[in-house]
Amino acid sequence: ILNVEQSPQSLHVQEGDSTNFTCSFPSSNFYALHWYRWETAKSPEALFVMTLNGDEKKKGRISATLNTKEGYSYLYIKGSQPEDSATYLCAFMERGKTSYDKVIFGPGTSLSVIP
Amino acid sequence: DSGVTQTPKHLITATGQRVTLRCSPRSGDLSVYWYQQSLDQGLQFLIQYYNGEERAKGNILERFSAQQFPDLHSELNLSSLELGDSALYFCASSARGGRGYTFGSGTRLTVV
Repeated sequence: ILNVEQSPQSLHVQEGDSTNFTCSFPSSNFYALHWYRWETAKSPEALFVMTLNGDEKKKGRISATLNTKEGYSYLYIKGSQPEDSATYLCAFMERGKTSYDKVIFGPGTSLSVIP
Repeated sequence: DSGVTQTPKHLITATGQRVTLRCSPRSGDLSVYWYQQSLDQGLQFLIQYYNGEERAKGNILERFSAQQFPDLHSELNLSSLELGDSALYFCASSARGGRGYTFGSGTRLTVV
């Protein structure tokens, strides 16, 4: 059974603080790792698609790194703002016989940014 | 608007009934994925279709079935509904696996 874990489960930070959280995934049969931002009552919004070991992606104040050999990805938020409050999901895509593989989502990290 | 359209947005039905959820993928996307999110479990992958063919199956119950039509829209059929089937059902589409998804806004199913 493939397992994708995220830590911490929840996080409360003050506005302006920088923060980071972790996604752990199986280190074998890696195809891609996705990060999603999911606000309450909305559907997940894609942040990053990471496919290569050592990938670093950045979108505004949010960035992510990827280590496929050890099976983890970090998501960083610099200078957190209240609008960053959301659940951040990572999703592991397993390499199979074709390119079109199933995705296993982690349980998410719930971030609350306190003004 | 993400480009992925799901209908209906809300559905309330009785136990034992059958419902059909519909998903129209983003223009040009050939893959459609269905997910279920319930209160006690995270987002659970149900099934994937690519250009009309089933490609991957997750935790989909035998009472559930899906198909993707030639115009690429997909339908998820849920039958013999139980109270525990109450959940948010999301559809997502992608152009190619590993290139990121676009999610629809979901259908909230309530079984009473």
